[in-house]
Amino acid sequence: DVKVTQSSRYLVKRTGEKVFLECVQDMDHENMFWYRQDPGLGLRLIYFSYDVKMKEKGDIPEGYSVSREKKERFSLILESASTNQTSMYLCASSFGALNEKLFFGSGTQLSVL
Amino acid sequence: GENVEQHPSTLSVQEGDSAVIKCTYSDSASNYFPWYKQELGKRPQLIIDIRSNVGEKKDQRIAVTLNKTAKHFSLHITETQPEDSAVYFCAASREAAGNKLTFGGGTRVLVKP
Repeated sequence: DVKVTQSSRYLVKRTGEKVFLECVQDMDHENMFWYRQDPGLGLRLIYFSYDVKMKEKGDIPEGYSVSREKKERFSLILESASTNQTSMYLCASSFGALNEKLFFGSGTQLSVL
Repeated sequence: GENVEQHPSTLSVQEGDSAVIKCTYSDSASNYFPWYKQELGKRPQLIIDIRSNVGEKKDQRIAVTLNKTAKHFSLHITETQPEDSAVYFCAASREAAGNKLTFGGGTRVLVKP
């Protein structure tokens, strides 16, 4: 079974802090994604990566950056956390160059106070 | 970019009845349409998908239909059971590197016993 592991289930940070969310997958997937989930808005893509050191902006990249130094690890960085970044963050991975099933992590509920 | 709208946002059905969720998309080049199910407190999981070269696909009690001309697709659940209670997300993407899915806002389905 594919395992996508997010480092924290719950996280509380203060406004202005730099926040790192880590995601690791164990199935040698090429593609990795960061989504945020807000009620009524579905899952919105922040950034994705289809190769090591490659990154692409999703639909809502403002205020975020990412890092993919190794194939199995994809980090989401909030440079200066703000209250409107309070959300559930979901990491996902998939195999291959074309449309493939996404495997999601269990999510990180981030609260920015 | 792609825009996916999903209706209804909530759906309450009696056990044994059918449930239908509808999605529309904006990008006529989209050709891959998956559906994900998210049970309470759990990660989203793929339940069925359809590609633009077919109009309908069925898997036991769930089916998806696609109308490319009208740019809409639907999920049908027959003989609903309590374990079908969850949030369902539709999504759309082009067949391209990175599998950049755009999700709808989600439908919360409650199956009443």
